[in-house]
Amino acid sequence: QSVLTQPPSVSGAPGQRVTISCTGSSSNIGAGYDVHWYQQLPGTAPKLLIYGNSNRPSGVPDRFSGSKSGTSASLAITGLQAEDEADYYCQSYDSSLSGSNVFGGGTKLTVL
Amino acid sequence: EVQLVESGGGLVQPGGSLRLSCAASGFTFSSYWMSWVRQAPGKGLEWVANIKQDGSEKYYVDSVKGRFTISRDNAKNSLYLQMNSLRAEDTAVYYCARDRQDGYNPWGQGTLVTVSS
Repeated sequence: QSVLTQPPSVSGAPGQRVTISCTGSSSNIGAGYDVHWYQQLPGTAPKLLIYGNSNRPSGVPDRFSGSKSGTSASLAITGLQAEDEADYYCQSYDSSLSGSNVFGGGTKLTVL
Repeated sequence: EVQLVESGGGLVQPGGSLRLSCAASGFTFSSYWMSWVRQAPGKGLEWVANIKQDGSEKYYVDSVKGRFTISRDNAKNSLYLQMNSLRAEDTAVYYCARDRQDGYNPWGQGTLVTVSS
């Protein structure tokens, strides 16, 4: 069981908006550690999608946005496109685990 | 272009050893923490280990402590993962990644380690 909890799957039609939650605790997200999000397209390595809770690396469309509040974070995708179908992972740091960077269990996004 | 290329994966019997390598290019390797992250077949991502710029600090996930050793050679722009006493549950694609406060970026393409008799 992952330290950070994500829904196993979400879905949406093209053009719609979806959100993916990432729930942690007082030793990770709630302690103020940043949350990062990764997109993993089928058969490829993960790619940084959002860093520092809400920042997009260059080249990432502004359809992707991140937010954080309390012990949770969220990834929002607007104007869904077929190429957004992928697995999405949140990641943070946990102070209760030595040197531990922790990931969420991942969320499979299906574009209907 | 910033690039990471892993190598060294393969099929190994339970209890065996394997050494993974990660060749870095396009950035000042010695200036960054580096990490290994793995992904079991059909499963999510799991951070395995990381190492400070000069190798003076190393951290491991509990499940590999005492069996895996992370190291680096800044002169060769290379990161390593020595894996001993391998178990079936270590079967995964192993990725190296540049470890920054603002996330893992970039990632290598991964190398598959299969532990099976």
